[in-house]
Amino acid sequence: DADVTQTPRNRITKTGKRIMLECSQTKGHDRMYWYRQDPGLGLRLIYYSFDVKDINKGEISDGYSVSRQAQAKFSLSLESAIPNQTALYFCATSDRGSTSGRSTDTQYFGPGTRLTVL
Amino acid sequence: AQKVTQAQTEISVVEKEDVTLDCVYETRDTTYYLFWYKQPPSGELVFLIRRNSFDEQNEISGRYSWNFQKSTSSFNFTITASQVVDSAVYFCALSEASSGYSTLTFGKGTMLLVSP
Repeated sequence: DADVTQTPRNRITKTGKRIMLECSQTKGHDRMYWYRQDPGLGLRLIYYSFDVKDINKGEISDGYSVSRQAQAKFSLSLESAIPNQTALYFCATSDRGSTSGRSTDTQYFGPGTRLTVL
Repeated sequence: AQKVTQAQTEISVVEKEDVTLDCVYETRDTTYYLFWYKQPPSGELVFLIRRNSFDEQNEISGRYSWNFQKSTSSFNFTITASQVVDSAVYFCALSEASSGYSTLTFGKGTMLLVSP
């Protein structure tokens, strides 16, 4: 079974609809992230969470909200979807574990959700 | 602000050729991590390597090797004897100590096409 799962894998919706993308992980990591990928732009960070009570905005948080329901679950919501939110969305997790006082943080990604807003 | 530049947008090679993907980064931190990820046509992002700023030793893993040079702020990735299965988009990324390694800054990626 995959360590980081995302549902749905593909979604087509209409402008103005509310949509939620879900992410679950079995890696036991405390940090979780949401990114979007657009052709030619690489990946850009939307939100990240260090633990259930810690939520932080990323580079492009406008138009999005998140919920960390549990250590293993991190959801991304588009309250009123618009066409320029059409993109590939990735969830990622990492561990804040450290070695010799230095973080060994590495982010591991889910399979992605392809979202199309018409 | 931190920045990662992958100047090569697309590279095409024939199988068995060697190919180097360039990555240049900018950071004010003295402590940071550099990463390479692979995104095959299926779309998932696969972690390849992490290198910390204190370790400039080159690394080799099978046909893959990485050359980290702080003097030129570069972390280049070489595939030796490329294969069709190496066709993918490759991303270089940076994570800084000043952010608690909380965020990754990605380059825009290099698409590698390996033809038979």
